[in-house]
Amino acid sequence: GAVVSQHPSRVICKSGTSVKIECRSLDFQATTMFWYRQFPKQSLMLMATSNEGSKATYEQGVEKDKFLINHASLTLSTLTVTSAHPEDSSFYICSATTAGGSLAKNIQYFGAGTRLSVL
Amino acid sequence: KQEVTQIPAALSVPEGENLVLNCSFTDSAIYNLQWFRQDPGKGLTSLLLIQSSQREQTSGRLNASLDKSSGRSTLYIAASQPGDSATYLCAVWGAQKLVFGQGTRLTINP
Repeated sequence: GAVVSQHPSRVICKSGTSVKIECRSLDFQATTMFWYRQFPKQSLMLMATSNEGSKATYEQGVEKDKFLINHASLTLSTLTVTSAHPEDSSFYICSATTAGGSLAKNIQYFGAGTRLSVL
Repeated sequence: KQEVTQIPAALSVPEGENLVLNCSFTDSAIYNLQWFRQDPGKGLTSLLLIQSSQREQTSGRLNASLDKSSGRSTLYIAASQPGDSATYLCAVWGAQKLVFGQGTRLTINP
């Protein structure tokens, strides 16, 4: 089956630093990748939709200058949390869909997530 | 705005029982509905995907149904096993994104 690799799995950083999270589709091309955020015991909330070669589409309330998304190739998308603060501590998960066809008909394959802790 | 609700929030049953998890959504204009499994501190594993034109999907001991008109889906797990313990999330696809419920935390007791 399709595999999505997310790295790192856990990161602890000091307040004010920036953190980059990578999401790779290992055995398929993903024209669209999604970034989600999950607070403890809550569900996933979509942060942004990332299309290869174009700017990401952010959900309402998500600061695009704080959460920088780059989708430079069909197999890699990155999320950079800039000037991280303790309130940014969360579980971040990416997903990817296979290229071609209707997005609605494609299964999303999820990465294992990244636990970000900002001290 | 689409809202997805899952009931119950938590469920604990003895091994071997059959069980049903419920999911409801407010806007019936969906393209598909998915059930996922999430283990603690891990990502999501897709279990079943039901297109809007379908009524149910089956995979092994799992069966998911969809009643789009009433905004409901159920996930039926037969002969539960301790390894089934996890959080189960349902999500509906509409307006170019997945909207998730808050999940049902399932514990199967040996």
